Amino acid sequence: DIQMTQSPSSLSASVGDRVTMTCRASQTISSYLNWYQQKPGKAPKLLIFDASSLQRGVPPRFSGSGSGTDFTLTISNLQPEDFATYYCQQSYRSPTFGQGTKLEIK
Amino acid sequence: QVQLQESGPGLVKPSETLSLTCTVSGGSISTYYWSWIRQPPGKGVEWIGYIYYNGSTNYNPSLESRVTISIDTSKKQFSLRLSSVTAADTAMYYCARGYNWNAAFDSWGQGTLVTVSS
Repeated sequence: DIQMTQSPSSLSASVGDRVTMTCRASQTISSYLNWYQQKPGKAPKLLIFDASSLQRGVPPRFSGSGSGTDFTLTISNLQPEDFATYYCQQSYRSPTFGQGTKLEIK
Repeated sequence: QVQLQESGPGLVKPSETLSLTCTVSGGSISTYYWSWIRQPPGKGVEWIGYIYYNGSTNYNPSLESRVTISIDTSKKQFSLRLSSVTAADTAMYYCARGYNWNAAFDSWGQGTLVTVSS
C-alpha cells in the first residue's frame, strides 16, 4: 500500500485567511493526487484532481501543487463554507487516502 | 448530472454478509469505473474496490478475501458483498464514480450507514 500522510491534522484560521496543507506519499506517485472536501454528514467532494487541476464548479480560491511525493492544497481568501475536513488521495496504485486535515474557525 | 444512490440493510449481524446496491441515474454506467468506499464513524476513508462496466474488478488487498463487487448494466446498478463482517466493518458506505481506473472519484452517493451488531 502507498501510505498518505497529511499535515497538520487540524488547522485554525479566520475568514479571509490563506491556508496551506500538505500531503506526503510513501513513494512517488507522479501527479496522481486528488483532494476532497468533506463536511459533516456529507460525502467527500472532489476539489482538485491530478495534483493541480480544478474540478469543474470548484471556486478558483482552491489550488493544488506538487508532484512525486509532496503535495499542497492552498485555499485563498477563506470563506465560511470552506471550514471542513480535507483529504488527499492517491490514484497511482490501489487508491488510498490521507487521514485528513480538519480546518476550523479561529 | 449523474446521481448515485446506495441502498441496503442498515444493520447486519456479525459473521454474516453485508450487501449493498448502488443505482446510477442521470448518466451512463458504461465506460466508467465504479467504486465502493467506506468511512467508519469519526475515522478516515478507505477504498474497498472497483468494477468496470465490462465486469473487471480490483479490490483493496486488505479486504480482497471478503469482497465481491458485481454489476448489472441493464439496471444501471452495481453491488457490494462483504462477507464475515465484524464490528470493525461498521461504517458509512459510499459508492463513487471514476472515469478511469486511476482517476479521481468525481461523483459520490450520499452514503448509507451500516452497523454490524447482534
